[in-house]
Amino acid sequence: AQSVTQLDSHVSVSEGTPVLLRCNYSSSYSPSLFWYVQHPNKGLQLLLKYTSAATLVKGINGFEAEFKKSETSFHLTKPSAHMSDAAEYFCVVSENSSASKIIFGSGTRLSIRP
Amino acid sequence: GAVVSQHPSWVICKSGTSVKIECRSLDFQATTMFWYRQFPKQSLMLMATSNEGSKATYEQGVEKDKFLINHASLTLSTLTVTSAHPEDSSFYICSARGEGGPYEQYFGPGTRLTVT
Repeated sequence: AQSVTQLDSHVSVSEGTPVLLRCNYSSSYSPSLFWYVQHPNKGLQLLLKYTSAATLVKGINGFEAEFKKSETSFHLTKPSAHMSDAAEYFCVVSENSSASKIIFGSGTRLSIRP
Repeated sequence: GAVVSQHPSWVICKSGTSVKIECRSLDFQATTMFWYRQFPKQSLMLMATSNEGSKATYEQGVEKDKFLINHASLTLSTLTVTSAHPEDSSFYICSARGEGGPYEQYFGPGTRLTVT
C-alpha cells in the first residue's frame, strides 16, 4: 500500500526567503513522486516529478525536490519565494505499475508575506 | 505535453436534475481515467477509476448509482451526477493515463458544480 503525508498544512514565508514544503511517503514498490500546485479556483499544474532517475529533480518556476529513499522524503524547495508562489501544493505518490492509483497528500497552503 | 480537457468548466443546476461532465484526452489515448472530487480547502479524493470499455471501479463510500461513469472510448470519459443535491456541489477533476511507464497522470482543469 502507498501513502503520502504532508507535514505542514500551512507555511508562511516572507518574499525573497527560502521555501520548504515537507512530504513523506510510504510505498511497497519503487514509487513515482510528484508535486502539483493549485492556485485558487484553478486546476492542477505539475511542478516536477521523480521517476527513478536523478534524485534531485528540478521543476518549473525555480522549484526543486530531492528524493531521499533512506528518509522516505520528497521535500519541495525554492531558494527565493515570490508573491506569485502563494497557492496550495500537493505531494503525490504513485507506484510504478499500470494498476496503481495516484494518492494525494492533504496539501500545504503556502502564503507569502510582502 | 499531454493535454486533458473538461467540459463544462463550471455548471449550475437545480436540485433534482442531472448533470454530465466530459473529460477528454486531446493528444493521447487514455487507457485509464480517474475522477476526483475536491471540497473547498481540501485535497483531492479519488472517486472512481475507469478503463475503456469496462465498468468503473468506485472507491469506498462513493455511490455508483449517483455518480455514473462511462468510458466509451480511449479519449472520452463522462461523469454524470444524477439527482443532484446541494451537497454534491464541489470541484470535480478528471485525469487520464496513457499506456506505458512512468504511469504519469495528466489532469484536466476541473469542473465547478453548484447545485441550487
